[in-house]
Amino acid sequence: EVQLVESGGALVQPGGSLRLTCVASTSAFGNHEMNWVRQAPGKGLEWISYISSGGTPTFYGDSVKGRFTISRDNARNSLYLEMHVLRAEDTALYYCVRGGAAGPDVLDLWGQGTMVIVSS
Amino acid sequence: QSVLTQPPSVSGAPGQRVTISCTGSSSNIGAGYDVHWYQQLPGTAPKLLIYTNVNRPSGVPDRFSGSKSGTSASLAITGLQAEDEGDYYCQSYDNSLNAFYVFGSGTRVTVL
Repeated sequence: EVQLVESGGALVQPGGSLRLTCVASTSAFGNHEMNWVRQAPGKGLEWISYISSGGTPTFYGDSVKGRFTISRDNARNSLYLEMHVLRAEDTALYYCVRGGAAGPDVLDLWGQGTMVIVSS
Repeated sequence: QSVLTQPPSVSGAPGQRVTISCTGSSSNIGAGYDVHWYQQLPGTAPKLLIYTNVNRPSGVPDRFSGSKSGTSASLAITGLQAEDEGDYYCQSYDNSLNAFYVFGSGTRVTVL
């Protein structure tokens, strides 16, 4: 069974930076689009970033554009999210999500999430 | 504020049928983009429930069904069971500037 495992979540001060990592349990990772989706405590789902199987193009939601960077290393079956100038409203559970395997725009496999708390 | 609108909550007794609507616009569902549904049980990550409007992934009971028409989509749960209690989200693609994947606001299903 393919799994996605996120790590890197932490308590960070406003204005700080953090790097999230997601590791896939399969070498087929490089065949798939990937995304980051977040969920603030008690709130709904918010898509924040997409990366194609080869690394470009990438897309971002307005709330993180210019502050977050998505990247991947297919040789390491890994997805990353570099987060800068963090704000209180970035506090959320961040999910690594595979896309496109079941069809265009389908988010078919989700990790368990890693928690980011932005607070002084 | 979510791009796709869902009712905050629906409820039903065990065995009953409930439906969840997902209303979009001409830049997403109305533009012909497919709708997908996710189930999030308490304390767990979301899971794909229905994809491409009507399809169930392997392992999803046929009690769950989806439909799409115009600028809206619906998820139906027939024969409601206690283990269905949780949050349900619709999702589509949006072609407006600065948009990409969009989610519904989420619907809490309560089994009475």
